[in-house]
Amino acid sequence: SAVISQKPSRDICQRGTSLTIQCQVDSQVTMMFWYRQQPGQSLTLIATANQGSEATYESGFVIDKFPISRPNLTFSTLTVSNMSPEDSSIYLCSVQQGAYQPQHFGDGTRLSIL
Amino acid sequence: RKEVEQDPGPFNVPEGATVAFNCTYSNSASQSFFWYRQDCRKEPKLLMSVYSSGNEDGRFTAQLNRASQYISLLIRDSKLSDSATYLCVVNGDRGSTLGRLYFGRGTQLTVWP
Repeated sequence: SAVISQKPSRDICQRGTSLTIQCQVDSQVTMMFWYRQQPGQSLTLIATANQGSEATYESGFVIDKFPISRPNLTFSTLTVSNMSPEDSSIYLCSVQQGAYQPQHFGDGTRLSIL
Repeated sequence: RKEVEQDPGPFNVPEGATVAFNCTYSNSASQSFFWYRQDCRKEPKLLMSVYSSGNEDGRFTAQLNRASQYISLLIRDSKLSDSATYLCVVNGDRGSTLGRLYFGRGTQLTVWP
């Protein structure tokens, strides 16, 4: 399966600031996704990162808060904007090669907001 | 109604035990099914795909019952290293949900010596 590099692996940020998380894949992939996972909770899909067009956001997530870029088939970024303590979570990118294929995840970014 | 429902656990079993996890899904048109494993503070990793005829990978056996919309995972001869959270995963079937995977909340397993 593809090798997925996500960075930073962790960060501690001040409220009101923004952080951009990068996801780099070692091969071209069809689909890329961004998830959030809060402690003890299941994965929550934030959005599907679409190459060359605007991301598709899930209910409860908006572009102004979580802008996403996907300039090519191997790279995507997620920005968490105007952070508050409620944004403290693990953020994960995943990739999928086809509609019926499994997803593979990056190592995750552990974000804490003070 | 949630797309995927799982036994919440936790399951605490001794080494060598056999343990089974169950999962139900709501979309009868789903085509792909998976079990993932997630260790504490780590990302989910694919454990195995689940095929209609059932499939086995070493000590792990997965079964699918389409009529009942039910998936199971059986772990035989449990090892300490099997301690983790097991996630049941089902795909969306059409349109805007095609390709999207729906994750269950996970079942926590602890294997003790």
